[in-house]
Amino acid sequence: QKEVEQDPGPLSVPEGAIVSLNCTYSNSAFQYFMWYRQYSRKGPELLMYTYSSGNKEDGRFTAQVDKSSKYISLFIRDSQPSDSATYLCAMSGVDSSYKLIFGSGTRLLVRP
Amino acid sequence: DTGVSQNPRHKITKRGQNVTFRCDPISEHNRLYWYRQTLGQGPEFLTYFQNEAQLEKSRLLSDRFSAERPKGSFSTLEIQRTEQGDSAMYLCASSFARGEGTNEKLFFGSGTQLSVL
Repeated sequence: QKEVEQDPGPLSVPEGAIVSLNCTYSNSAFQYFMWYRQYSRKGPELLMYTYSSGNKEDGRFTAQVDKSSKYISLFIRDSQPSDSATYLCAMSGVDSSYKLIFGSGTRLLVRP
Repeated sequence: DTGVSQNPRHKITKRGQNVTFRCDPISEHNRLYWYRQTLGQGPEFLTYFQNEAQLEKSRLLSDRFSAERPKGSFSTLEIQRTEQGDSAMYLCASSFARGEGTNEKLFFGSGTQLSVL
């Protein structure tokens, strides 16, 4: 079993929909949680960064971390076709903050 | 462009050949990382440098792989005697870390796509 599990999708939604992306993990030592967006043939781009549990909002994006359930989420409001990409969750522990453990990514398609 | 720069973007080679990739990190960043990503998977950690010192290597990094970061600036990743299983996207990232256990934000380059025929 992988340390970080992520549904590969693809997830197809109409423009303007609210998108919910999720990851579960097994390592209780993880303290830093990130969401990256990756377009085809590009490197991952950091979208959201949170420490420990709680919510963080940035524009149309909201990241939630529930450490008791070992579950993290990314919500995208008013989704746009330009949001079509693969979304990767990543996490790390305090003692190894340099070593990100990634999920396999969820492919999102926002239909005009 | 002040982001992480990787060259070449694509490399096609024959099995058994040696290849070298280069990464130029964001200038004020003191840490540099190499990750590998195969199709349909997330990136996997290979190794990282704090300035010029290579501090950790993953067991994914076999003896055929070597990475350097002379003078703590750019880094090179060399693969000797390439195998078809080495085909992947090789990603470089950099960050600024104030010390151990501090939060770090890794910024990735666009990667080098390696195809071994």
